[in-house]
Amino acid sequence: NAGVTQTPKFRILKIGQSMTLQCTQDMNHNYMYWYRQDPGMGLKLIYYSVGAGITDKGEVPNGYNVSRSTTEDFPLRLELAAPSQTSVYFCAIRAGSSYNEQFFGPGTRLTVL
Amino acid sequence: KNEVEQSPQNLTAQEGEFITINCSYSVGISALHWLQQHPGGGIVSLFMLSSGKKKHGRLIATINIQEKHSSLHITASHPRDSAVYICAVRNYGGATNKLIFGTGTLLAVQP
Repeated sequence: NAGVTQTPKFRILKIGQSMTLQCTQDMNHNYMYWYRQDPGMGLKLIYYSVGAGITDKGEVPNGYNVSRSTTEDFPLRLELAAPSQTSVYFCAIRAGSSYNEQFFGPGTRLTVL
Repeated sequence: KNEVEQSPQNLTAQEGEFITINCSYSVGISALHWLQQHPGGGIVSLFMLSSGKKKHGRLIATINIQEKHSSLHITASHPRDSAVYICAVRNYGGATNKLIFGTGTLLAVQP
């Protein structure tokens, strides 16, 4: 996973609870991304960051927040969990020899009941 | 209509068969990615290409920019190739490298 780690791997939340999905990279890359993957759907971009202190919304940002206080960490926050947020979440970085590839973390499977 | 369409959605093959997965897109792109996702597993990048053809082992990826089409071929398929194969395109001019993903092709290779 090219140095991208995510925690936790699995989590069950009750409606209304909050949690933070952690994403850490050890390669000092500026570009980081959060995606969600739902059955039968392509990955959708939630938020992205082009460097420490800079974040922006993707396609499906509602219900989520992010921060990027360091280059290494890009946590995703769910404030009031809803069943619609049941999904698999992937963090990714932009890297590679041409700096145009994306490398994904192992994913976090989240269930909201 | 999705900007990135893959076909087929599901594919079952016998071990040893030659496999083709197709990807068509409707936007201008600067690059196209093929990704592999094993059941319960993470996502691995197989190829990134902007023209022509790339080969890695038994995998071959081609792209035709004029026709807005790419294919992923697997020669001498093996059960360990069973996975979801995802096509993604980087929208031309996307300075932030945002990708648009297809919904994936679920491949099952039977022994």
